[in-house]
Amino acid sequence: KQEVTQIPAALSVPEGENLVLNCSFTDSAIYNLQWFRQDPGKGLTSLLLIQSSQREQTSGRLNASLDKSSGRSTLYIAASQPGDSATYLCAVLNSGNTPLVFGKGTRLSVIA
Amino acid sequence: GAGVSQSPSNKVTEKGKDVELRCDPISGHTALYWYRQSLGQGLEFLIYFQGNSAPDKSGLPSDRFSAERTGGSVSTLTIQRTQQEDSAVYLCASSSDLAGGVATDTQYFGPGTRLTVL
Repeated sequence: KQEVTQIPAALSVPEGENLVLNCSFTDSAIYNLQWFRQDPGKGLTSLLLIQSSQREQTSGRLNASLDKSSGRSTLYIAASQPGDSATYLCAVLNSGNTPLVFGKGTRLSVIA
Repeated sequence: GAGVSQSPSNKVTEKGKDVELRCDPISGHTALYWYRQSLGQGLEFLIYFQGNSAPDKSGLPSDRFSAERTGGSVSTLTIQRTQQEDSAVYLCASSSDLAGGVATDTQYFGPGTRLTVL
């Protein structure tokens, strides 16, 4: 059974810092991996999707990497801003018609 | 519509009552998912619809939970005889499927329905 773990559970950084969020998964036979953002009381917003054949994806200040063989992904946020404060969720899609398997998220606070 | 919509946004009910939660997926998306997010827990899968195939109900926690999808579009999640442990945010997502019937595209999530069972 696929299990997804995110470390740390919570993180507080001063504005302007670069930071890394970690995600690990137990079954490397994934189809893709997604990083989502969730604001309090809101739904999920997809940030980046990495197909299993890809190594990384970039969008603005965000960069997500995938090491499928070791079961790891990282989300790098450059020059963090207070508006980046949210919970970041990592989710994997296993091969076949299966739903996403989510980690419990990392709650990020960026202090001005 | 532009995105996935869910209604109601909030629902407070008494223990033992039945509730219905509605999801309108993005037009044209053939795959629809229901997830539950309980306090302090991650999102857990409940049920998944893919086109005209039989739904994958493997995530439903008990037989009090059921869902249907009419006309390949709108879906309703029904919880019968609600219990306090059913209190959670219920999220719906949809995605388009690619060749081979595998839903590999990005899942787009609705804002969720916050259910509180007193």
